[in-house]
Amino acid sequence: GQQLNQSPQSMFIQEGEDVSMNCTSSSIFNTWLWYKQDPGEGPVLLIALYKAGELTSNGRLTAQFGITRKDSFLNISASIPSDVGIYFCAGQGFNQFYFGTGTSLTVIP
Amino acid sequence: SAVISQKPSRDICQRGTSLTIQCQVDSQVTMMFWYRQQPGQSLTLIATANQGSEATYESGFVIDKFPISRPNLTFSTLTVSNMSPEDSSIYLCSVTPGTGDETQYFGPGTRLLVL
Repeated sequence: GQQLNQSPQSMFIQEGEDVSMNCTSSSIFNTWLWYKQDPGEGPVLLIALYKAGELTSNGRLTAQFGITRKDSFLNISASIPSDVGIYFCAGQGFNQFYFGTGTSLTVIP
Repeated sequence: SAVISQKPSRDICQRGTSLTIQCQVDSQVTMMFWYRQQPGQSLTLIATANQGSEATYESGFVIDKFPISRPNLTFSTLTVSNMSPEDSSIYLCSVTPGTGDETQYFGPGTRLLVL
């Protein structure tokens, strides 16, 4: 199935720094979702976006649904060691979910 | 949201055997899905588990290899048949509750190693 282009593939940052990652698609989506997956666990939903242009925050996380409906970004502010993990975007269209390739985040204390 | 459990959480199996993975949800949900996630990779949809009818398989996945059951709105099983080492992966159940909640929630996964 289709996979979304997610970048960067990996990031190594110092604790306290801000992080930004994004997803792009050639298709229009009705919903954008962002997940975090810890080692040995299933993905956990962080933020769900339902409308083009929507900007939503969840604590230190902020995500936006692109105006074109073909992209989304996730920002993490003031990173902490427990932010370590793999972040996946997902787009929903026509009852199908498509997943990004993932961004692996390492936070150096 | 939905709380999803999977059994077993992990298993080590011999080549040629089969393993059935169970997925239980704490509430009735519209859609249930099965994904595979190979080490270091993203999620690949295996099939949509349809309640009371045959599952809908994605390209590259067939019913003989991955039979799926969904007897009701809270439970599904995925069987990995005639396993080979290439089937070593994480298998994830996910659900879309429906009725106003169209997001997708994942279970904790089943880690399978085939020797």
